[in-house]
Amino acid sequence: EDQVTQSPEALRLQEGESSSLNCSYTVSGLRGLFWYRQDPGKGPEFLFTLYSAGEEKEKERLKATLTKKESFLHITAPKPEDSATYLCAVVTGANSKLTFGKGITLSVRP
Amino acid sequence: NAGVTQTPKFRILKIGQSMTLQCTQDMNHNYMYWYRQDPGMGLKLIYYSVGAGITDKGEVPNGYNVSRSTTEDFPLRLELAAPSQTSVYFCASYGGPGLNEQFFGPGTRLTVL
Repeated sequence: EDQVTQSPEALRLQEGESSSLNCSYTVSGLRGLFWYRQDPGKGPEFLFTLYSAGEEKEKERLKATLTKKESFLHITAPKPEDSATYLCAVVTGANSKLTFGKGITLSVRP
Repeated sequence: NAGVTQTPKFRILKIGQSMTLQCTQDMNHNYMYWYRQDPGMGLKLIYYSVGAGITDKGEVPNGYNVSRSTTEDFPLRLELAAPSQTSVYFCASYGGPGLNEQFFGPGTRLTVL
């Protein structure tokens, strides 16, 4: 059974304090890994897709990386507006089944 | 281009009632998914579909049914609603490997009393 574990469950940062969010996975046949941002009361908003180990993608203060066992979402000099829940999901199998982790709630204090 | 739309936004059901949650996408995506999200539990996959006429169970399919008669629509049916089905339901669509984004709808908040 595919498993996705995100850590830590919650993270509180001071504005400007860089950190990383972890997504580790145990799956058979990874076809891709997604990162999302979710604000309260809203649906997840797509951030990145990573397909192979060694791949990196960046968007503003966010950078996602992928290894064979885990992915990191690095946040550089975060701002209060980066506060949200960050979700990762793995795509597996011929039918592109998606399995999500429980998410990491990030709070950035001014 | 509306993306993924879901109706209704909110609904309160009595135990034993039935309802259908509607999901429509206008991106011609083959892959569509239904999730439920409970506080602190992340997104659990209920059912998914790889194209019209093809559906498959996810992690938590009991108490739900789906159909996929067209590429655009993927309704989720709740029969005999139970309090355990109180949740927020999200529909999503995906173009497939190499096509990057998976788009989510705004969600339906369902309460069963």
